[in-house]
Amino acid sequence: GDSVTQMEGPVTLSEEAFLTINCTYTATGYPSLFWYVQYPGEGLQLLLKATKADDKGSNKGFEATYRKETTSFHLEKGSVQVSDSAVYFCALSENNYGQNFVFGPGTRLSVLP
Amino acid sequence: DAGVIQSPRHEVTEMGQEVTLRCKPISGHDYLFWYRQTMMRGLELLIYFNNNVPIDDSGMPEDRFSAKMPNASFSTLKIQPSEPRDSAVYFCASSYRATNEKLFFGSGTQLSVL
Repeated sequence: GDSVTQMEGPVTLSEEAFLTINCTYTATGYPSLFWYVQYPGEGLQLLLKATKADDKGSNKGFEATYRKETTSFHLEKGSVQVSDSAVYFCALSENNYGQNFVFGPGTRLSVLP
Repeated sequence: DAGVIQSPRHEVTEMGQEVTLRCKPISGHDYLFWYRQTMMRGLELLIYFNNNVPIDDSGMPEDRFSAKMPNASFSTLKIQPSEPRDSAVYFCASSYRATNEKLFFGSGTQLSVL
């Protein structure tokens, strides 16, 4: 079945550091890929998405590129802020009938001032 | 738009008691999902509905769990009887149309079964 693997956390960075959170996936079809973010005490919210190979999703300074050849969707940000501290989830959704979101285990990011 | 609304925000109960969690999806959304989040197992899909009809309940852990969606604006997740291992954060999410549309999550219900 489909699956998503993320780098284990927690990840601790200083403010203005460069961030990379690795994500790889296994899918039978041709999925869309997502990054969701969960701030403390809240539900998940969509950060960015990409629906086909070589697409780049971007939002709030975060970027991720859909790499079909390496089945990856790594999240990057050039300069993190304390307010970026959260848990980040990589997810996929297959292009088939019905809804089938598969989430990774999440990576906790802590940004120190 | 008020977003997905869940209640209660926190629930503390004793083992053996019945627990009912409630969810109001975003108006116009035709998919509704129930997820459970724990440290050990991460985010698990329990069940989802399309147009109020349960489509896939294979994630429901056992018969103690049941979910209903009597109309497009309301869903419940019930646990009877509750057990300490049910302690988790339960999220409701909704979306519009099939595949590739983003999920809108509620703020969750933190359930503690003592």
